[in-house]
Amino acid sequence: GENVEQHPSTLSVQEGDSAVIKCTYSDSASNYFPWYKQELGKRPQLIIDIRSNVGEKKDQRIAVTLNKTAKHFSLHITETQPEDSAVYFCAASRSLNYGGSQGNLIFGKGTKLSVKP
Amino acid sequence: SQTIHQWPATLVQPVGSPLSLECTVEGTSNPNLYWYRQAAGRGLQLLFYSVGIGQISSEVPQNLSASRPQDRQFILSSKKLLLSDSGFYLCAWSVLVNQPQHFGDGTRLSIL
Repeated sequence: GENVEQHPSTLSVQEGDSAVIKCTYSDSASNYFPWYKQELGKRPQLIIDIRSNVGEKKDQRIAVTLNKTAKHFSLHITETQPEDSAVYFCAASRSLNYGGSQGNLIFGKGTKLSVKP
Repeated sequence: SQTIHQWPATLVQPVGSPLSLECTVEGTSNPNLYWYRQAAGRGLQLLFYSVGIGQISSEVPQNLSASRPQDRQFILSSKKLLLSDSGFYLCAWSVLVNQPQHFGDGTRLSIL
């Protein structure tokens, strides 16, 4: 089955710097890659996602890139702010046409991002 | 717009007691529903998912069970809680598989 590895587990940056979180996946059939942000004690919230038919997607200070050949995708946060501090999770899933728990998200273990003022 | 409700927000239960957590979704029909557990400082573990009324798939063998008695209602249960059942339980929904999942506010369960 799918396996998603996420690095680093913790990341500390100065306010205004950029942060990059990387994930690799094992199943070449995976075609949907969301990123979630979870603040302490709260629910995970979807912040951006990408499908395998595009290589990059941006939303203001957040961008996600996907390299299907290498089977990895990354979250880029520019001009970080203290409110970006949270745990970020990547995930991967594949379409219904495959067997097993098709379509279910497989999550990475998370990256705790700390942005220092 | 769609909303998801989970209750209770926090729960303290003794070992061996039963459990019932409820999740309901509004504003959509026939959603896919999911139960996750998150241990303190850890990732998300999928426990159960459902693609329709009465259809439950279990991802991890355990002493928990799930039921979907109505289209937009998902219930997580246990007959006898273990210490290891402590954690943050999250319900989520999606329109279809391989689509964005949206999480409820979660239930923080402590077993004493």
